[in-house]
Amino acid sequence: DQQVKQNSPSLSVQEGRISILNCDYTNSMFDYFLWYKKYPAEGPTFLISISSIKDKNEDGRFTVFLNKSAKHLSLHIVPSQPGDSAVYFCAASRGGADGLTFGKGTHLIIQP
Amino acid sequence: NAGVTQTPKFRILKIGQSMTLQCAQDMNHNYMYWYRQDPGMGLKLIYYSVGAGITDKGEVPNGYNVSRSTTEDFPLRLELAAPSQTSVYFCASSYGVAGGDTGELFFGEGSRLTVL
Repeated sequence: DQQVKQNSPSLSVQEGRISILNCDYTNSMFDYFLWYKKYPAEGPTFLISISSIKDKNEDGRFTVFLNKSAKHLSLHIVPSQPGDSAVYFCAASRGGADGLTFGKGTHLIIQP
Repeated sequence: NAGVTQTPKFRILKIGQSMTLQCAQDMNHNYMYWYRQDPGMGLKLIYYSVGAGITDKGEVPNGYNVSRSTTEDFPLRLELAAPSQTSVYFCASSYGVAGGDTGELFFGEGSRLTVL
């Protein structure tokens, strides 16, 4: 059973507009959430994270929002740029040694 | 700074063959992981290690083995390759427990394996 769900396999956004990527989780033991970005033929790279004690974290153009009661988080990218075109993975951690649980990813395409 | 290095980048195996995917990190990280990614799917954890001499199974360990004799190296062994093991394999490492201030995972570039 998928514990981290990204229900949109792809998303197309015009350059300069806001991109919103969504993620839902089912395991209430998750206490840390991360977004990774992946280009073709490369490994995922860390983008931004949020602890369960916060509801928002910003880093430049990237903001992650966490709604614990809804078990939902979202990544906002403003403004979207062509270099943002990539697959974005939502991931969650229980704080244990067994790494991260990943969603299936959302392919973001920024249209010129 | 090389980070996490995986070899080979590509490999084709015949059913029943065996091989080892190599992974090395030069960041003195305690934690190391092997994930596989199938098309359209997220990354699934195969094995992980919290330090030299200590390994444990992840979500999908069947058909694989690992060892961690040094802090730097974490090879993944495929015994009796099967078509179901066709996938892209990613090795990752972190200084601390995944998540948290010291738990960022650093990934290698991946090893694409095809079993025919």
